[in-house]
Amino acid sequence: NAGVTQTPKFQVLKTGQSMTLQCAQDMNHNSMYWYRQDPGMGLRLIYYSASEGTTDKGEVPNGYNVSRLNKREFSLRLESAAPSQTSVYFCASSEGLADYNEQFFGPGTRLTVL
Amino acid sequence: DAKTTQPPSMDCAEGRAANLPCNHSTISGNEYVYWYRQIHSQGPQYIIHGLKNNETNEMASLIITEDRKSSTLILPHATLRDTAVYYCIVRVTGANNLFFGTGTRLTVIP
Repeated sequence: NAGVTQTPKFQVLKTGQSMTLQCAQDMNHNSMYWYRQDPGMGLRLIYYSASEGTTDKGEVPNGYNVSRLNKREFSLRLESAAPSQTSVYFCASSEGLADYNEQFFGPGTRLTVL
Repeated sequence: DAKTTQPPSMDCAEGRAANLPCNHSTISGNEYVYWYRQIHSQGPQYIIHGLKNNETNEMASLIITEDRKSSTLILPHATLRDTAVYYCIVRVTGANNLFFGTGTRLTVIP
């Protein structure tokens, strides 16, 4: 039981390049999330998916798109990377959106945009 | 916005109980208290959560005061691997995100 997995672990992009961050969970969870963590800023929610087939914006969605490919997978795409998107990206999943459903996080993707 | 106050750092001797306090005086009746930790730059790790009653699992115990204005996370026998930043989070009712403040940096000393 791997929990939440993310690929790649590290990535360096040039400004304007695009890439997709992959996330998968094997806990049969309905809900999935993408956060970014910047130094001194804590985690901020980018997008979330309440269930398969639905996605919604979080606090900081600009510059990102997401796809809930199936129940297991939730990807985050940067269409035209900018230096301001240099960050650590965490994917998380939970059984549902209810307040009592804990979120489980993946190991993160460290992205640098030059 | 942060609804919790935690000490910035604490030390604990290996093998002793680590008691991490958290103040959340503005908590509402239906808001859960969550604890996570982050070891170095790894992904946040869920520890425990509760609403009104004390909770215990294989990792820790959560003690919530009767007025719910504060709580304490207890790691019963701290090990060196418990060195991490511990976050106390009040989950705002209906919010989908978890607000991680600055947390408490716990250092377990041999």
